[in-house]
Amino acid sequence: DGGITQSPKYLFRKEGQNVTLSCEQNLNHDAMYWYRQDPGQGLRLIYYSQIVNDFQKGDIAEGYSVSREKKESFPLTVTSAQKNPTAFYLCASSPPEEETQYFGPGTRLLVL
Amino acid sequence: GENVEQHPSTLSVQEGDSAVIKCTYSDSASNYFPWYKQELGKGPQLIIDIRSNVGEKKDQRIAVTLNKTAKHFSLHITETQPEDSAVYFCAARPSGYSTLTFGKGTMLLVSP
Repeated sequence: DGGITQSPKYLFRKEGQNVTLSCEQNLNHDAMYWYRQDPGQGLRLIYYSQIVNDFQKGDIAEGYSVSREKKESFPLTVTSAQKNPTAFYLCASSPPEEETQYFGPGTRLLVL
Repeated sequence: GENVEQHPSTLSVQEGDSAVIKCTYSDSASNYFPWYKQELGKGPQLIIDIRSNVGEKKDQRIAVTLNKTAKHFSLHITETQPEDSAVYFCAARPSGYSTLTFGKGTMLLVSP
């Protein structure tokens, strides 16, 4: 069963806590992306990676960090420096040599 | 950088009517324009896309048109059905870049 999986579906963060969102794909896609979605704001790019061990900042990278140690995995850490982390987080990936991005089901992060 | 504006923000139609959503982009070098449908609590799904060497593309009840001179593209849905109710996003990708810039979305409501 191929696709993009994100876990958990819901995540709760306490003040001052770092949390990590998982994104895994078994589609053999090279590029992976993280977006943040807020009501009425569309999708905003946080980080992206076109190849293992390399990644670039998107438009709103402050307060977030990523790693790309394996082709299949692109975890996103929301650090305590992100003061307004409540949002719906979406991971996407693209096949080699293609522009199309395919999205996972998302993780909703809530602050306690 | 690229800027994408999407209108309207909400659109209500009766079942069987047509719906049109319009987007404008700022970067004349953009060459790839996908449309996504997002149902509540889920990740966006690609429904149709168009490249700058094509003026129109159809897939059953869905069509997209592109006017490169005016830098705008539109999504047309004919014979709307209640299951078409969702949020629709347009996006644009400048030539030479691997990232997409998204519009802020249109909530389409189809009443039976």
